[in-house]
Amino acid sequence: AQRVTQPEKLLSVFKGAPVELKCNYSYSGSPELFWYVQYSRQRLQLLLRHISRESIKGFTADLNKGETSFHLKKPFAQEEDSAMYYCALGRGGGADGLTFGKGTHLIIQP
Amino acid sequence: DAGVIQSPRHEVTEMGQEVTLRCKPISGHNSLFWYRQTMMRGLELLIYFNNNVPIDDSGMPEDRFSAKMPNASFSTLKIQPSEPRDSAVYFCASSLSGVGGYTFGSGTRLTVV
Repeated sequence: AQRVTQPEKLLSVFKGAPVELKCNYSYSGSPELFWYVQYSRQRLQLLLRHISRESIKGFTADLNKGETSFHLKKPFAQEEDSAMYYCALGRGGGADGLTFGKGTHLIIQP
Repeated sequence: DAGVIQSPRHEVTEMGQEVTLRCKPISGHNSLFWYRQTMMRGLELLIYFNNNVPIDDSGMPEDRFSAKMPNASFSTLKIQPSEPRDSAVYFCASSLSGVGGYTFGSGTRLTVV
């Protein structure tokens, strides 16, 4: 069975501090992982996916198969980063939808 | 492209009434997904279609829920009869076989009173 775990419901950090949002997954095959961001009452937006290995808005995430993790990181938080962040695992190799974690509410304090 | 379009944005209805949510996927995408978002359960996949054919509806909570995709540019999610516990935000998403990720609509916020 597929499962995505985001252990922190809420994470509060000060502006300029480093941010790390944790994500662990459970999947027997080769995982395809995503991070989505949802700003207040808006649609979910794709932030990044591990296949593309790109950095968006200063965020990066590295897939660690040994630890089954895909943590999201940013060296210096900005106030506009405040949002809900969802880690997601592609079902069936990515073509059959996504299994989402419960999400982490990131609050950046001034 | 205007992205994935959902209507209505908000729906308030009385318990027992029929509710129909609508979704227009991105042109050219061949997969369409319906998700439900609640505080308690987070984002749950309800059903998805590939080339207009329902592939997996195991996430549909009960027989009161049904979904259709009559053509490549339109899908509906219907709840009949609606109950207060159906109150949630319902998202539609589309994809081209998963390539490039999934694009979500703005969601329909449903309140059943």
